[in-house]
Amino acid sequence: AQTVTQSQPEMSVQEAETVTLSCTYDTSENNYYLFWYKQPPSRQMILVIRQEAYKQQNATENRFSVNFQKAAKSFSLKISDSQLGDTAMYFCAFAHYGQNFVFGPGTRLSVLP
Amino acid sequence: KAGVTQTPRYLIKTRGQQVTLSCSPISGHRSVSWYQQTPGQGLQFLFEYFSETQRNKGNFPGRFSGRQFSNSRSEMNVSTLELGDSALYLCASSPQGPRTQYFGPGTRLLVL
Repeated sequence: AQTVTQSQPEMSVQEAETVTLSCTYDTSENNYYLFWYKQPPSRQMILVIRQEAYKQQNATENRFSVNFQKAAKSFSLKISDSQLGDTAMYFCAFAHYGQNFVFGPGTRLSVLP
Repeated sequence: KAGVTQTPRYLIKTRGQQVTLSCSPISGHRSVSWYQQTPGQGLQFLFEYFSETQRNKGNFPGRFSGRQFSNSRSEMNVSTLELGDSALYLCASSPQGPRTQYFGPGTRLLVL
């Protein structure tokens, strides 16, 4: 069975600093997709970034970037220049084509002024 | 394009009743997935519909059912509600399969 683990239930970071959220997953598949979603207090799930497993280059999206280590099955999210609006639950997710998404338990990130 | 919409946004029901939730996907998206989110269990996959056919199903009892219409709108139904069904129900749509899912705002269900 495919599983996603986020070992940090809660994290905090000072505004303007950098923080890294960890995610590991377990799969026997070779082709799959990885995602980070954020869920602010409004509860709306928002796509942050996505990575296709066949691409070696790490995805970036403005202040958000990932460190994708396929052999280690690791997919961490780095947030640079943290802003108060980044305060949210962050979920790591895995999906193989044709199969449902599997989400991790989430990391609650607080950005402190 | 308009985002995923879910109705109603809030719902209060009593044990034993049934409830129907609705989800309208982003225009052009043919896949709709449903999730249950609770503080204790996190995000759990309910089912996915693609072109009116259930393609994947999570580990939920038969009280939870769904369907998808020809316009890709989807409904999920929960019969004989239990207290433990209180949750945020999220719907997500994607253009083809589960490559990227875009979520709606959710329906918060409270069962008394």
